[in-house]
Amino acid sequence: GAVVSQHPSWVICKSGTSVKIECRSLDFQATTMFWYRQFPKQSLMLMATSNEGSKATYEQGVEKDKFLINHASLTLSTLTVTSAHPEDSSFYICSARAPTGDGNEQFFGPGTRLTVL
Amino acid sequence: AQSVAQPEDQVNVAEGNPLTVKCTYSVSGNPYLFWYVQYPNRGLQFLLKYITGDNLVKGSYGFEAEFNKSQTSFHLKKPSALVSDSALYFCAVRDYGGSQGNLIFGKGTKLSVKP
Repeated sequence: GAVVSQHPSWVICKSGTSVKIECRSLDFQATTMFWYRQFPKQSLMLMATSNEGSKATYEQGVEKDKFLINHASLTLSTLTVTSAHPEDSSFYICSARAPTGDGNEQFFGPGTRLTVL
Repeated sequence: AQSVAQPEDQVNVAEGNPLTVKCTYSVSGNPYLFWYVQYPNRGLQFLLKYITGDNLVKGSYGFEAEFNKSQTSFHLKKPSALVSDSALYFCAVRDYGGSQGNLIFGKGTKLSVKP
C-alpha cells in the first residue's frame, strides 16, 4: 500500500525557535496533502490542506503566518511552526490522498511529537 | 455540515469475545465512511471504508463494519477480539464541504481488550 513518512518523529525545541516537519509520500505522487493536529486523548483536527504548486488552504482559526506550509513537489510537503511556544506542543500528523480508483483514500504519516519548552 | 459521532469514550472487551465500536454519521449526501486505528504515538492506519455497494464491509486485521442507512450508523465489529487490538479507533466521514476531500473525524474510542 501507499506509504507516507514524516520527519522528525519527535522534536524538542526552545520557545521562540522555528521547527520544520517534513511529510513525504514514498511510493506515490500526492497533489494533495493534509496537516492535522492532535491533542492528548482528542481527535484529529484539520489544520490545512496542502496543494502542490499553490498556496495552502487553512482552516478557520489556524494562523497561516505561524504554521507555514510548503508543498514544493508531488512527494513532499513541509509544515514549519514559527516562533514556537509551549501551547504549540502537540502531535502533528500529515496525510496524503492516494490515487486509488475512487480517489477517496488517505494514507497517514506516523506523526511528529513536538514539545516546546 | 458533515459529522460523525462516537458515543463511547472507551470499550472494554475480554479476549475472544466479539467487539463493537459504535459510530453514527450525519451527511447531506451519500456518505463516504472510514475507520482508522491509532496505536500510541503513531499515525493512523486505514482499516476499511464504505463508498457504495454491500452494507457489510470487510477490512484489515479481521475487522468489518456494517453500514446502516436507516440508523445512519457505521459500527465497527470483530467476531473475536485480540489483546493486540487494544488501540484508539476513529470513525471518519469525507467532508463534502471541503473541495479537497479531507476527512472529518469522530472523537475516537479507546478499545481495551483484556486477556
